[in-house]
Amino acid sequence: QKEVEQDPGPLSVPEGAIVSLNCTYSNSAFQYFMWYRQYSRKGPELLMYTYSSGNKEDGRFTAQVDKSSKYISLFIRDSQPSDSATYLCAMSTPYSGGYQKVTFGTGTKLQVIP
Amino acid sequence: DAGVTQSPTHLIKTRGQQVTLRCSPKSGHDTVSWYQQALGQGPQFIFQYYEEEERQRGNFPDRFSGHQFPNYSSELNVNALLLGDSALYLCASSYPQGDNEKLFFGSGTQLSVL
Repeated sequence: QKEVEQDPGPLSVPEGAIVSLNCTYSNSAFQYFMWYRQYSRKGPELLMYTYSSGNKEDGRFTAQVDKSSKYISLFIRDSQPSDSATYLCAMSTPYSGGYQKVTFGTGTKLQVIP
Repeated sequence: DAGVTQSPTHLIKTRGQQVTLRCSPKSGHDTVSWYQQALGQGPQFIFQYYEEEERQRGNFPDRFSGHQFPNYSSELNVNALLLGDSALYLCASSYPQGDNEKLFFGSGTQLSVL
């Protein structure tokens, strides 16, 4: 079983739709949760970062963490064609022994159709 | 402020050859991590360098080796290339200890092994 599971998609939605992206994980040591956005032929860029259960909002993006269910989500409101990219969830253990392990999901490819 | 830079952007090699990839971290960052991203997959951790030493290593064979220089730049070396080594190789830099989960990625080097 993979430590982090993410549906690869692809997910296709019309412009203006609300998008929901999800990941589940099995390692209870994960304490920090991130979402990265990766455009084609580019490196991932950090989109959202949180370390507690609950919601965190940044503009059109909301990250949600449920540690009891080991489930995280990213919601995108009023989706735009420029949101078309691959979204990677990532999780990290606490800093210990000089290192934090960051584990990525496989990524969900999103296409927003004008 | 320059972000993470990687060179070359693309590389074509044949089986059995050796390759060296280079990375300059974001200004102010002293920790460099290398990831391998196969097509349709999330980044897989290769190793991390801090203070010119390999601090942590993922599940990759000894054919993969690295180096960090006093100016924090880094190299990834892969010997005896296999077809399965074809992938996007990503370099990520991060802040000093305690904030390593916030990775800043370069655009990657696309390696094709024929």
